[in-house]
Amino acid sequence: KQEVTQIPAALSVPEGENLVLNCSFTDSAIYNLQWFRQDPGKGLTSLLLIQSSQREQTSGRLNASLDKSSGRSTLYIAASQPGDSATYLCAHAGGTSYGKLTFGQGTILTVHP
Amino acid sequence: DTGVSQDPRHKITKRGQNVTFRCDPISEHNRLYWYRQTLGQGPEFLTYFQNEAQLEKSRLLSDRFSAERPKGSFSTLEIQRTEQGDSAMYLCASSSSGAEAFFGQGTRLTVV
Repeated sequence: KQEVTQIPAALSVPEGENLVLNCSFTDSAIYNLQWFRQDPGKGLTSLLLIQSSQREQTSGRLNASLDKSSGRSTLYIAASQPGDSATYLCAHAGGTSYGKLTFGQGTILTVHP
Repeated sequence: DTGVSQDPRHKITKRGQNVTFRCDPISEHNRLYWYRQTLGQGPEFLTYFQNEAQLEKSRLLSDRFSAERPKGSFSTLEIQRTEQGDSAMYLCASSSSGAEAFFGQGTRLTVV
């Protein structure tokens, strides 16, 4: 059974810090990996998608990497801002899953001024 | 296109009642997914449609749950004889084959 684990479960940092969120998965037969942001009571906003053939993707202050051999992905957030406060979810699409996503439990990020 | 749309945003129902949720995916997306999310957890997969065909259902989808996607456009998720354990956020997502998944704002169900 595919499992996705996110560490840490919660993180509180002062504004301006660079930070790393970690995601590990057990199924190496990966199709793609996607990072999402979720604000309280809201749906999911897609941040970055990494295809299995890629090693990283960047969007603005966000950079996500993928290491299939070790079953890990990291989300790097540069120069964090209070508006980055949210839950960050990592989701894995297996090789034959038709794009079905298996999610981690998320990392709750708080950036304080 | 305005993205994935879900209706209603919130639903409060009495135990034993039936409820139906609607999802309108991004128009050119052939894949549609339903997920359920409880407080403090990541979303869990419920079911998947490719066009109008329902190709996979999770064991979470008991016989009280049914989903349809007539004509491969919008989808509905019905829960019959609701139970308090059904209280959750129900999320719909759509994608093109092999591409990024986009989620709606979800329907928050509270069973009292």
